[in-house]
Amino acid sequence: QVQLQESGPGLVKPSQTLSLTCTVSGGSIRSGGYYWSWIRQHPGKGLEWIGHIYSSGNTYYNPSLKSRITISVDTSKNQFSLNLSSVTAADTAVYYCARDSSEIGIPFDNWGRGTLVTVSS
Amino acid sequence: EIVMTQSPATLSMSPGESATLSCRASQSVSSNLAWYQQKPGQAPRLLIYGASTRATGIPARFSGSGSGTEFTLTISSLQSEDFAVYYCQQYNNWPPWTFGQGTKVEIK
Repeated sequence: QVQLQESGPGLVKPSQTLSLTCTVSGGSIRSGGYYWSWIRQHPGKGLEWIGHIYSSGNTYYNPSLKSRITISVDTSKNQFSLNLSSVTAADTAVYYCARDSSEIGIPFDNWGRGTLVTVSS
Repeated sequence: EIVMTQSPATLSMSPGESATLSCRASQSVSSNLAWYQQKPGQAPRLLIYGASTRATGIPARFSGSGSGTEFTLTISSLQSEDFAVYYCQQYNNWPPWTFGQGTKVEIK
């Protein structure tokens, strides 16, 4: 059973860059057929897909956030990361990492527990 | 971007009753539709994918149906652990993958 765990600062100042890492255990991030994703949830609100990275390194981003997002992968550490630049209070949310197996017809089947990131000075 | 619209926003039910949740897509998503359950303080959990296939370990009282633009999640005989928020999500057209705004199933 694949497990995912988010890590990173819980507080980020406005205009700075939010950086989170997702550590994958119980399976290799190099395994083909999976997209490694970031999803966020604003307090009391619904879910927003941020973007994902394929095992090959190809990335796909939500157009609404594309100019501010970078997702990268470190296969040696079995981790993938999210950088979101120029943050504002509107970026305060719980950030989840998840495995997306939609290439084989199964979407987000494994999720991390989520980490709350607050943007505030 | 495909917009997913869920109804109702809140469903007040009693344990043992059957609940029917709806999800509508702004354009066809074929059968590439998933349902998730989320409890307070927890990550969403995949319930249904392919519009009607239960994910591993999901009880048979959860069933999904529909294709194209109209989808339904039915929870027969609600158990106490089923009171939660439910989201639908399309994975047919991207980017982006999109979610509905959620339906809260609460105890009457």
